Amino acid sequence: GEEVAQTPKHLVRGEGQKAKLYCAPIKGHSYVFWYQQVLKNEFKFLISFQNENVFDETGMPKERFSAKCLPNSPCSLEIQATKLEDSAVYFCASSHRDRDKNIQYFGAGTRLSVL
Amino acid sequence: ILNVEQSPQSLHVQEGDSTNFTCSFPSSNFYALHWYRWETAKSPEALFVMTLNGDEKKKGRISATLNTKEGYSYLYIKGSQPEDSATYLCAFSSNQGGKLIFGQGTELSVKP
Repeated sequence: GEEVAQTPKHLVRGEGQKAKLYCAPIKGHSYVFWYQQVLKNEFKFLISFQNENVFDETGMPKERFSAKCLPNSPCSLEIQATKLEDSAVYFCASSHRDRDKNIQYFGAGTRLSVL
Repeated sequence: ILNVEQSPQSLHVQEGDSTNFTCSFPSSNFYALHWYRWETAKSPEALFVMTLNGDEKKKGRISATLNTKEGYSYLYIKGSQPEDSATYLCAFSSNQGGKLIFGQGTELSVKP
């Protein structure tokens, strides 16, 4: 598709429950990125993929967070045993390998509310 | 630690005013500087990506400049309109395919 599609738009979980977020990148884009927006306007990098391989995971919390980008499937970000502080908007972005100096195109985000 | 700073944090102007914002970023290990326009609950919209020192880009009433030697970029909006009200984010990357490091954004409000 021509847009980065994120689902669901809003996810509500009780503390301790699992949360799984999905991202379909733009067709033909090699890179996928996940960002977490907790405080107003602060976008924090989590992890990126080049095709199905992890490219950079320096922002991923060591525990409870995992992500995958498998061929012919949407990418996913999973949080095991959610905590209150995981409440945030999670943005996915994708970029083409060689075009426009890797301009990143963003989805509309998934708002995770942990109660 | 790589830090991207934007100023001002917020700006309130009247319709028709021209305005500008600043983004400062590390001048070492520079690959690209991105500007985004973002409204809450929507996708951040890419405005510009700049890579070369002295780059100037323009899109309608919005333009941007880049100084990689001193580590700053300016975004200008000429004749602000109410529909320009949004948060303007700048972001720095240090390699191809690299993560974006975002500033805190400048929230612009344009009153009719």
